[in-house]
Amino acid sequence: GDSVTQMEGPVTLSEEAFLTINCTYTATGYPSLFWYVQYPGEGLQLLLKATKADDKGSNKGFEATYRKETTSFHLEKGSVQVSDSAVYFCALTRPSGYSTLTFGKGTMLLVSP
Amino acid sequence: ETGVTQTPRHLVMGMTNKKSLKCEQHLGHNAMYWYKQSAKKPLELMFVYSLEERVENNSVPSRFSPECPNSSHLFLHLHTLQPEDSALYLCASSQGGRYQETQYFGPGTRLLVL
Repeated sequence: GDSVTQMEGPVTLSEEAFLTINCTYTATGYPSLFWYVQYPGEGLQLLLKATKADDKGSNKGFEATYRKETTSFHLEKGSVQVSDSAVYFCALTRPSGYSTLTFGKGTMLLVSP
Repeated sequence: ETGVTQTPRHLVMGMTNKKSLKCEQHLGHNAMYWYKQSAKKPLELMFVYSLEERVENNSVPSRFSPECPNSSHLFLHLHTLQPEDSALYLCASSQGGRYQETQYFGPGTRLLVL
């Protein structure tokens, strides 16, 4: 079945550091790929998405590129802020039919001033 | 109210109780979802409703019973739960339920089963 693997957290960074959170997936066909973020006490919010190979999703300074050859969708940001501290989830949906998100376990990011 | 709301935000129940979780979306969407978020495990999709019809049921035990009376409301009825059912239950909605759509999540109900 489909699966998503994320790097274990927590990831601890100082403000303005470069961020990479790795995400790889296993799926048949060409799934759509997503990054969601969960701030403390809140539900998940879509951060960015990509629906086909080589697409780059971007939002709020975050970027991720859909790499079919390496089955990856790594999240990057050039300069993190304290307000980016949250849990980040990589997810995919199968390439047809109803939306059924398969999530990774999540990676907690802690940014200190 | 905007977005997706869930009530209650916190719930403590005994194994013999019956309770219900409520979700309401104010986005004009036609698809709604229930997820379970347990510690140390990935979010698990439980149910998908599209146009008030259940279209996905991910082998969820019968002690969880969903209900979707209209496209804006979704309920999860709980009875004779087990302690391992303690988790954060998240509701989400999307435009039509198609695979590329963005899902919008509520804040969740934190459930503790004693």
